[in-house]
Amino acid sequence: QVQLQESGPGLVKPSETLSLTCTVSGGSISGSHYYWGWIRQPPGKGLEWIGTIYYSGSTYYNPSLKSRVTISVDTSKNQFSMKLTSVTAADTAVYYCARHGLDGWIFESWGQGTLVTVSS
Amino acid sequence: DIQMTQSPSSVSASVGDRVTITCRASQDISTWLVWYQQKPGKAPEFLIFVASSLQSGVPSRFSGSGSGTDFTLTISSLQPEDFATYYCQQAKSFPLTFGGGTKVELK
Repeated sequence: QVQLQESGPGLVKPSETLSLTCTVSGGSISGSHYYWGWIRQPPGKGLEWIGTIYYSGSTYYNPSLKSRVTISVDTSKNQFSMKLTSVTAADTAVYYCARHGLDGWIFESWGQGTLVTVSS
Repeated sequence: DIQMTQSPSSVSASVGDRVTITCRASQDISTWLVWYQQKPGKAPEFLIFVASSLQSGVPSRFSGSGSGTDFTLTISSLQPEDFATYYCQQAKSFPLTFGGGTKVELK
């Protein structure tokens, strides 16, 4: 069974870049037809899709974040990553990585999430 | 973007109650609708896909229905482990969007 684990700093200063990595175990990122995504959830609020990537590097981004976000994949490490530039307090959230299912854009497996706080 | 609107935002119910949550899409999404359950401090777990198909292992007291723009999630007999927040998500097109969530609380 696939497992996903987010990692990265828990505290980022305003105007800096938030960088997170998702490590996939129990399955190969490149050996399947799955897509991989990032979702975030501000404290006490709802879910927001950030973006999705295929192992080949094809990406899809939320237009609301597209100018600031980059998602990449490292098949040699079985990881995919996200960078969000010019962060503000509004970017404070729990960030989840997830795997899409094969039956459409469902988030079928999730990491446990990591809280990133933007504060000086 | 396709906007997803859930109602109610919260519902108070007792064990054994029947609970219905509604999700409305701002445009036709056919049956490309997913339901998730999220418990405090945990990642969401997906319950239902293509509007009415239960994920493996999900109890049969959960059911989903609808197509086009109007969808419902029904819990036929609420159990203690069902107190959680439920989200719908349209899976038809990018950007993927979620409803605002419905918190099912103990009355």
